[in-house]
Amino acid sequence: KAGVTQTPRYLIKTRGQQVTLSCSPISGHRSVSWYQQTPGQGLQFLFEYFSETQRNKGNFPGRFSGRQFSNSRSEMNVSTLELGDSALYLCASSLDVGAQPQHFGDGTRLSIL
Amino acid sequence: QQQVKQSPQSLIVQKGGISIINCAYENTAFDYFPWYQQFPGKGPALLIAIRPDVSEKKEGRFTISFNKSAKQFSLHIMDSQPGDSATYFCAAIDFGNEKLTFGTGTRLTIIP
Repeated sequence: KAGVTQTPRYLIKTRGQQVTLSCSPISGHRSVSWYQQTPGQGLQFLFEYFSETQRNKGNFPGRFSGRQFSNSRSEMNVSTLELGDSALYLCASSLDVGAQPQHFGDGTRLSIL
Repeated sequence: QQQVKQSPQSLIVQKGGISIINCAYENTAFDYFPWYQQFPGKGPALLIAIRPDVSEKKEGRFTISFNKSAKQFSLHIMDSQPGDSATYFCAAIDFGNEKLTFGTGTRLTIIP
């Protein structure tokens, strides 16, 4: 069974731009969560999607948004990029909302110049 | 607000030794406590997990000890090997709000 797939693996953007990251969950998994990982703040929860609906949201500004499609694939978007948005963005999938364990992808490394 | 405190930040252990990583939490509503292992360039991978009604869980060389009254739990890696060198994260989840909260991570290095 294929794992969680995140694309692209690396991205370089400049301040003010926007970016869209993609996540394909494990087949049969219906819940997708997104996390931001930085050396200073560690792993922080961004949001969770289930059945195309946002179920939970972490403490991030409205510039961070996401969506989920009917096939459970998810995208997250960050608008008006800031230098502090440089991070590893991780996607995790699970069978059901709030279900454990969550299975993580290898992330998208976003660098803001 | 750091709801799960993890220590130490880094740890160096000799091959064959015991690696011990500690975590403490405040929220008594947490229902599930997983440990994740992360190698450079990879996402975190579930290593072992425990529920608060169990005091200890062992899987191979990995053991979680859980002290509900002290609100602490720890990961013990027996017979540590160079391949165990990675960053380890403890985590906790309250199934009521469905958010997984992570500790700050421990970078473990096993030396020959």
